[in-house]
Amino acid sequence: GDSVTQMEGPVTLSEEAFLTINCTYTATGYPSLFWYVQYPGEGLQLLLKATKADDKGSNKGFEATYRKETTSFHLEKGSVQVSDSAVYFCALQTGTASKLTFGTGTRLQVTL
Amino acid sequence: NAGVMQNPRHLVRRRGQEARLRCSPMKGHSHVYWYRQLPEEGLKFMVYLQKENIIDESGMPKERFSAEFPKEGPSILRIQQVVRGDSAAYFCASSPRGGNPLKNIQYFGAGTRLSVL
Repeated sequence: GDSVTQMEGPVTLSEEAFLTINCTYTATGYPSLFWYVQYPGEGLQLLLKATKADDKGSNKGFEATYRKETTSFHLEKGSVQVSDSAVYFCALQTGTASKLTFGTGTRLQVTL
Repeated sequence: NAGVMQNPRHLVRRRGQEARLRCSPMKGHSHVYWYRQLPEEGLKFMVYLQKENIIDESGMPKERFSAEFPKEGPSILRIQQVVRGDSAAYFCASSPRGGNPLKNIQYFGAGTRLSVL
């Protein structure tokens, strides 16, 4: 079945540091890939998405590139801020299904 | 436009009791999805409903769990005779239409944390 594997957290960084959160997947067929973010006390919000190989999703300074050869969709940001502290979830969807398959989430803590 | 509202945010039940989790979708959304996050695991799909219809319940446990989305009112996820293993965060999402999440973004609530004593 489909699955998503994320690096374990928490990830603790100083402000303005470079961020990478690794995400790899296993899927039947050709999945669409997503990153969701959950800020404290809030619901998950779609951060970015990609639909095919070599697509780059981007939003709010975050980027992720769909790598079919390595089945990966790593999240990156060049300079994190304290306000980026949240839990980040990688997810996929296959075929015509409406449901999403999520990773376990990675907590990011950014300090001054 | 209020977001997806889930209540209660925290629910404590003793073994054998019933748990009712409510989800009010965003205004104009007629599709609701329930996901469960067990400790140290990712969110796992449970059920997908459209008004008065269950579309996909492939992730629902066969016993004790049920879901509904009536014509009027919120969607309800009901867990009968709860056991400790039901302790988890339950998330609801809604979308204006069904189908591919690329075209019909799922908007999530903040979740209900169920603790079974």
